[in-house]
Amino acid sequence: QKEVEQDPGPLSVPEGAIVSLNCTYSNSAFQYFMWYRQYSRKGPELLMYTYSSGNKEDGRFTAQVDKSSKYISLFIRDSQPSDSATYLCAMSATTGGGNKLTFGTGTQLKVEL
Amino acid sequence: GAVVSQHPSRVICKSGTSVKIECRSLDFQATTMFWYRQFPKQSLMLMATSNEGSKATYEQGVEKDKFLINHASLTLSTLTVTSAHPEDSSFYICSGAGGGNSPLHFGNGTRLTVT
Repeated sequence: QKEVEQDPGPLSVPEGAIVSLNCTYSNSAFQYFMWYRQYSRKGPELLMYTYSSGNKEDGRFTAQVDKSSKYISLFIRDSQPSDSATYLCAMSATTGGGNKLTFGTGTQLKVEL
Repeated sequence: GAVVSQHPSRVICKSGTSVKIECRSLDFQATTMFWYRQFPKQSLMLMATSNEGSKATYEQGVEKDKFLINHASLTLSTLTVTSAHPEDSSFYICSGAGGGNSPLHFGNGTRLTVT
């Protein structure tokens, strides 16, 4: 079993839809959770960074962490074609600076006009 | 936000030659940098952890003599693919963080094609 599971998709939604992206994990030591967006042939771009359980909102993006269920989510409201990309969840057991991340496989999202 | 600059963005080389990829942190000092490779439609696979002023730590299965990492300053780490072969063709990405609670930021990657 992988430490982090993420549905690779592809996930196709109409413009304006609410998108829900999810990851589950098995390592209860994970405390720091991140979502990255990766466009084709580009490096990952940090979208959200959260610590422990709870919600965090930034514009159209909301990240949720449920440590009791070992489940994290990223919601995108009013999705746009420019949101079409691969979304990677990542997590670590200790603070970000010098620590390795464990990544999900990424979910490919396509927002259609 | 933190910016990581990676060069070149794309390189094509002949089998048997060496290729150097640079990773620079532009607006922060990165004590630690990480090097990943990514195959098409797959996630990032950590290759090695680069610490400023010391030897890099390689993940299991990664040949340290083939993938030479140098982290000579707090803003620059380099990855040299030595004696490259077609199977080394991949997307290589570096990342760094400014310490404390700051998350990792990634470079834009280098697409290496070995012919």
